[in-house]
Amino acid sequence: NAGVTQTPKFQVLKTGQSMTLQCAQDMNHNSMYWYRQDPGMGLRLIYYSASEGTTDKGEVPNGYNVSRLNKREFSLRLESAAPSQTSVYFCASFAGEQFFGPGTRLTVL
Amino acid sequence: KQEVTQIPAALSVPEGENLVLNCSFTDSAIYNLQWFRQDPGKGLTSLLLIQSSQREQTSGRLNASLDKSSGRSTLYIAASQPGDSATYLCILSSARQLTFGSGTQLTVLP
Repeated sequence: NAGVTQTPKFQVLKTGQSMTLQCAQDMNHNSMYWYRQDPGMGLRLIYYSASEGTTDKGEVPNGYNVSRLNKREFSLRLESAAPSQTSVYFCASFAGEQFFGPGTRLTVL
Repeated sequence: KQEVTQIPAALSVPEGENLVLNCSFTDSAIYNLQWFRQDPGKGLTSLLLIQSSQREQTSGRLNASLDKSSGRSTLYIAASQPGDSATYLCILSSARQLTFGSGTQLTVLP
């Protein structure tokens, strides 16, 4: 099992550009999450999905959209990137225990 | 609303010392508690998972305890090593919610 995988590992965007962060898990988990981690702020929940086809806003959803098209994949989209979205993004899945992906380091110039 | 506090925020100890990291929470209605470590610029690695019905879990030099009545979990690290230097996070799982502590940054000096 690969666990939780994320692509890309690193990305640099210009303000206003769009991109999609991909996340997949092979553990057949229903619940999946997107977090961002900023220095001194800890992990903050952006969106989560309790099951295929459902998504809910977390603590900091503004500027993001998500898509849970199937049980394996949960993508995070930035439609118009802003410098405030420079962060490390972690995807996670949960089934009694939390599993994290390796993270995507995003810089918005 | 569940609140999780980790004290201290930072800790520096000489190599070989035994140490305790603390995680306090306000709502005892939890499913489980996980301890993670995060190395600088890296992801989160799960160390120990304690179910709500358990009192402690052990893995090598690590021992985690859970006392729901007092709203506390501790992570005990025996004979600390420089390789233990990292940020340690506790994460609580309850009904449809995961709550994170802000972490303890541990430095073990050679």
